[in-house]
Amino acid sequence: AQSVTQPDIHITVSEGASLELRCNYSYGATPYLFWYVQSPGQGLQLLLKYFSGDTLVQGIKGFEAEFKRSQSSFNLRKPSVHWSDAAEYFCAVGAQANDYKLSFGAGTTVTVRA
Amino acid sequence: ETGVTQTPRHLVMGMTNKKSLKCEQHLGHNAMYWYKQSAKKPLELMFVYSLEERVENNSVPSRFSPECPNSSHLFLHLHTLQPEDSALYLCASSQDRGLWNEQFFGPGTRLTVL
Repeated sequence: AQSVTQPDIHITVSEGASLELRCNYSYGATPYLFWYVQSPGQGLQLLLKYFSGDTLVQGIKGFEAEFKRSQSSFNLRKPSVHWSDAAEYFCAVGAQANDYKLSFGAGTTVTVRA
Repeated sequence: ETGVTQTPRHLVMGMTNKKSLKCEQHLGHNAMYWYKQSAKKPLELMFVYSLEERVENNSVPSRFSPECPNSSHLFLHLHTLQPEDSALYLCASSQDRGLWNEQFFGPGTRLTVL
């Protein structure tokens, strides 16, 4: 079965600074990878996903992620963080495109300081 | 606003109570999901319905009983819950099953079991 590890529980970053959130997955074949964001009091919103092709994926809100098979990683990045990016971020992995099951990481909370 | 609404947003209940959570999607989707989100733990998929047929029951205790009367509505009936069932319960929907279909999440119901 697939699994996801998000090594950082909490990250604090200054507004305008860059952000990188780590995600490591465990799965034997090509995974389907996702990043979601959850703002306080809200449900999850999909930021981006990787199924195949270009390993650098662009998402909404200025986020991007890079799939590195050799490192079993799918790290999320943003060049310049805004105060509105303060939220909890979840990485998820799926095994089969025709399936619906996602395995989520425990999440990384991002705090943005002025 | 994702097109998925959940009521109530907050619920406090005793262990002997019976209550129901409601989810409604206005997106014309065919698949609906219940997830449990406990603090600092990965999201857990509980139930999946596709075209009003339950296709997943992820080893959920029988004190949780889902109901999907039509493709727009999903309920989670609760009875004789335990304090460890306190969590955020998220509903989601997608056009169809399959990971290529983005799941849209509601804001959740924060459940506290006393």
